[in-house]
Amino acid sequence: EAQLLESGGGLEQPGGSLRLSCAASGFTFSTYDMSWVRQAPGQGLEWVSRISARGANTYYADSVRGRFTISRDNSKNTLYLQMNSLRADDTAVYYCAKHSGNYWYFDLWGRGTLVTVSS
Amino acid sequence: DIQMTQSPSTLSASVGDRVTITCRASQSISSWLAWYQQRPGKAPKLLIFGVSSLEPGVPSRFSGSGSGTDFTLTISSLQPDDFATYYCQQYNSYSTFGQGTKVEI
Repeated sequence: EAQLLESGGGLEQPGGSLRLSCAASGFTFSTYDMSWVRQAPGQGLEWVSRISARGANTYYADSVRGRFTISRDNSKNTLYLQMNSLRADDTAVYYCAKHSGNYWYFDLWGRGTLVTVSS
Repeated sequence: DIQMTQSPSTLSASVGDRVTITCRASQSISSWLAWYQQRPGKAPKLLIFGVSSLEPGVPSRFSGSGSGTDFTLTISSLQPDDFATYYCQQYNSYSTFGQGTKVEI
């Protein structure tokens, strides 16, 4: 069964850094684009960042560009999100999500990891 | 950026009801639209892609329609498992979600 499992969330102070990980299993991770999508408490979904299957191409939402970096290690079937210069409005549950083919919709989601930015 | 607007924000319904949720894009997105269901405390689940294509395993009581800027998700006969929040998503240009429609009793 295909699965995604996020980790690395927690409480961090404004201006701090966190690195999220997403371990994939049950599908050929190296052949799919992947994204991070976040959801602030009680709010809707916001796409954050995407990376191509081999890691050559990356895309970012304006709200995180220059502060967040997406990467992947296909030998470890793992997706990452390095988050720097964290702000209070980055507080959210962060989901990793698998793209369906080359499309920008998501056919598999992880359970999410909570990031709280607060002093 | 393409904005997605859903209506209503909250919908009160009963088991067996026919339910329709509307999603409007700020510009044409052709047929690049998906719908997701999210139960409380859970990850979103893909229901429909390409406006009307049902994801494998999704019950046939769910259907989607529309094109251009106006789209609908219909649940033909609401079941207890269907009480959740539903999101539309455009993927014509990057990805944007609607604000969600909560279907409650």
